[in-house]
Amino acid sequence: QVQLVESGGGVVQPGGSLRLSCAASGFTFSSYGMHWVRQAPGKGLEWVAFIRYDGSNKYYADSVKGRFTISRDNSKNTLYLQMNSLRAEDTAVYYCASGDSVSGFDPWGQGTLVTVSS
Amino acid sequence: SYVLTQPPSVSVAPGKTARITCGGNNIGSKSVHWYQQKPGQAPVLVIYYDSDRPSGIPERFSGSNSGNTATLTISRVEAGDEADYYCQVWDSSSDHSWVFGGGTKLTVL
Repeated sequence: QVQLVESGGGVVQPGGSLRLSCAASGFTFSSYGMHWVRQAPGKGLEWVAFIRYDGSNKYYADSVKGRFTISRDNSKNTLYLQMNSLRAEDTAVYYCASGDSVSGFDPWGQGTLVTVSS
Repeated sequence: SYVLTQPPSVSVAPGKTARITCGGNNIGSKSVHWYQQKPGQAPVLVIYYDSDRPSGIPERFSGSNSGNTATLTISRVEAGDEADYYCQVWDSSSDHSWVFGGGTKLTVL
């Protein structure tokens, strides 16, 4: 079945770095755009980044631009999010989701928690 | 940047109809998607392209979009529909960004 599984979350100090991964299975990963979406504790959903199916275009929310980098390895069916210069306000559950420009986000992974704290 | 406005909460009795609105400037010209999120779970797409239902989503869920308001309608509400609901659009005008509404907590009385 179609599945997305995130990993790589954890506790990191302010200013630190972390790399999240999202392993895809059950669909042709290389044919679909992919997103990262985050949700701070008790808050709503916030779109973070998008990468086109072939990696040719990447877009970021203003809140992470210049600090986060989205990438993908279609040979490994895996999406990544490199997070640098982390701040307390980056603390959230990070979800990966499949989707293109106009389409909805479907499916979603189960999420991985990132906590930025000293 | 584009802003989507949802009511923080909606309450409805079982068996009745719930309507959750999503306001945005000329949102009728955009494609709106709706997500259901239950506590401790990932969001699930329940309506896409304004009014289409993914497979496995009950016919009780429907959507509409016109003017400055999109609406998610849940008919014959059940206890299991209690969740947070988010609307979402793609804003192509601002260097490509994907926008979520603030979310609406649906409470089944």
